[in-house]
Amino acid sequence: QVQLQQSGPGLVKPSQTLSLTCAISGDSVSTTGAAWNWIRQSPSRGLEWLGRTYYRSKWYFDYAPSVKSRMSVNPDTPKNQFSLQVNSLTPEDTAVYYCARADCRGGFCYLDYWGQGTLVTVSS
Amino acid sequence: DIQMTQSPSSLSASVGDRVTITCRASQSISNYLNWYQQKPGKAPDLLIYAASSLQSGVPSRFSGSGSGTDFILTISSLQPEDFATYYCQQSSSAPVTFGGGTKVELK
Repeated sequence: QVQLQQSGPGLVKPSQTLSLTCAISGDSVSTTGAAWNWIRQSPSRGLEWLGRTYYRSKWYFDYAPSVKSRMSVNPDTPKNQFSLQVNSLTPEDTAVYYCARADCRGGFCYLDYWGQGTLVTVSS
Repeated sequence: DIQMTQSPSSLSASVGDRVTITCRASQSISNYLNWYQQKPGKAPDLLIYAASSLQSGVPSRFSGSGSGTDFILTISSLQPEDFATYYCQQSSSAPVTFGGGTKVELK
């Protein structure tokens, strides 16, 4: 059974950097056939996919165009986890942030395991 | 980006009703379409993947159909635990995108 455990701050000041971590158990961040995603949800923007990383003989990274310039997703193989960094935060970045595994083994990708969610509030 | 449009945005139904939710993609996505159920305060749960494949453990009253740009999620007989918000999501190409959601409420 795959489990994802998120950690990180719930309150961040404007212009600062958000760092969230997702610890994986029951799978490996290096698994070929999986992708490791960050998604956020707010009343104004709904469910918004932010980015992902995955390993296929080398590491790959994809980002949503709307946040690409401010965001990075990074794997940490020794600790079997992955992280999200978002720079230059504004109040519009206030949302519940989720990490999620995508199973891509059958040629289709679907988000089958999710973290518990972290409410991040951007406020001074 | 591929835009995903769900309808209706909300609906009222009774236990035992047949419920259908529609999702339309702004361009063809073949059958790279997934459906999720979300309850308040919880992360979304996968119901259907590849447009019509039932995720393990999901009751058979849930079904999905469609291909190309038009997709349907059907709940054949609504149960009390099915009152929730449902989202479609395309995995045809990055960026991954979600529909706006359909909230199923008790009539």
